[in-house]
Amino acid sequence: DAGVTQSPTHLIKTRGQHVTLRCSPISGHKSVSWYQQVLGQGPQFIFQYYEKEERGRGNFPDRFSARQFPNYSSELNVNALLLGDSALYLCASSLGNEQFFGPGTRLTVL
Amino acid sequence: GEDVEQSLFLSVREGDSSVINCTYTDSSSTYLYWYKQEPGAGLQLLTYIFSNMDMKQDQRLTVLLNKKDKHLSLRIADTQTGDSAIYFCAEIYHAGNNRKLIWGLGTSLAVNP
Repeated sequence: DAGVTQSPTHLIKTRGQHVTLRCSPISGHKSVSWYQQVLGQGPQFIFQYYEKEERGRGNFPDRFSARQFPNYSSELNVNALLLGDSALYLCASSLGNEQFFGPGTRLTVL
Repeated sequence: GEDVEQSLFLSVREGDSSVINCTYTDSSSTYLYWYKQEPGAGLQLLTYIFSNMDMKQDQRLTVLLNKKDKHLSLRIADTQTGDSAIYFCAEIYHAGNNRKLIWGLGTSLAVNP
């Protein structure tokens, strides 16, 4: 059974560009959450989606947006990239109270 | 407020027990989690405990919860070199209909042969 998958695995962008990160949850999981993990720190919550609706939003600027599709996969979009957006972006899917994480997308902004 | 605190480093000898400690602030947390992250890898859920429990054991892992002091610990028995990783404590934070995981900074566990 496939776990949470994310694409791409690595990405290099320049300041001002935008990026779209993708996540496919575990089959049967209806909730997807996005986290940003800067090197040396714990993950910071960005968004949670459940049944295509936003259920939670962390303290991130409006440059960050996300959506969930009918098949429960999700996209995270970041506009006007800044150097400080360089991080590992983690997606987690959940059915109940356990969150299972994908391997992450490593974004580098130059 | 939302805050989870952990000590940043722990070094143990192979075969000894490791104890990683965590304190949290949200008294309404229903679940508390321990995740493991190896270098360059994603987060692996190790175990979690419901807030009405004070202990949970799962093979080499023992979780202790002191709800009064808002203190959580993870004990790894017979620590192996493969246990070297960063261990994150996380709590579920509730705000209205929103639920999110609040994370500590992680404890880096080094296991010496």
